[in-house]
Amino acid sequence: EAQVTQNPRYLITVTGKKLTVTCSQNMNHEYMSWYRQDPGLGLRQIYYSMNVEVTDKGDVPEGYKVSRKEKRNFPLILESPSPNQTSLYFCASMGGLYNSPLHFGNGTRLTVT
Amino acid sequence: GQQVMQIPQYQHVQEGEDFTTYCNSSTTLSNIQWYKQRPGGHPVFLIQLVKSGEVKKQKRLTFQFGEAKKNSSLHITATQTTDVGTYFCAGRGTTDSWGKLQFGAGTQVVVTP
Repeated sequence: EAQVTQNPRYLITVTGKKLTVTCSQNMNHEYMSWYRQDPGLGLRQIYYSMNVEVTDKGDVPEGYKVSRKEKRNFPLILESPSPNQTSLYFCASMGGLYNSPLHFGNGTRLTVT
Repeated sequence: GQQVMQIPQYQHVQEGEDFTTYCNSSTTLSNIQWYKQRPGGHPVFLIQLVKSGEVKKQKRLTFQFGEAKKNSSLHITATQTTDVGTYFCAGRGTTDSWGKLQFGAGTQVVVTP
């Protein structure tokens, strides 16, 4: 089944403790992206990657890192999480065509205390 | 930079009634996509509009792209309880990297039986 898999689904952590949210897709998509969803703000793009070893900042990249060492994986790294990074995070992928739709993972609900 | 505004933020609808949600961009868009997110779920692609003035229909849903390609609308007729969820528009600016897809804040739809 074609899908985008995020892990974990839920994560509670403390300020400053490094964490990684994994994202993997099995559709051989070139494009992958991370979004955070907050009430009243919709989905805001954190980082995106148009291909392996190519990453670019979205609208809210501060406090986050990403890497794209292989096509299928696009982990999101929070080196020193803070409470304002408490949010619902979605990973998404898209085929290589400009007009393709995004395929979203099931989301990761992160709480930083 | 480009901003995508979506109104209304909330929409309470009686079952059987019609409603419309609007999406407005501060800049000209290359294309616009619409997604639906059910409560507790992830965004799911509905449709994409590319041409100026384009109108597309999916059963009771009618999507429109403005002549100037700066606004879009989603109209739902005879609302059903299955229409509950949050509807997002997402646009690409003509001068942005095609990897930067900007989402509106969403319209959360509640249907009263």
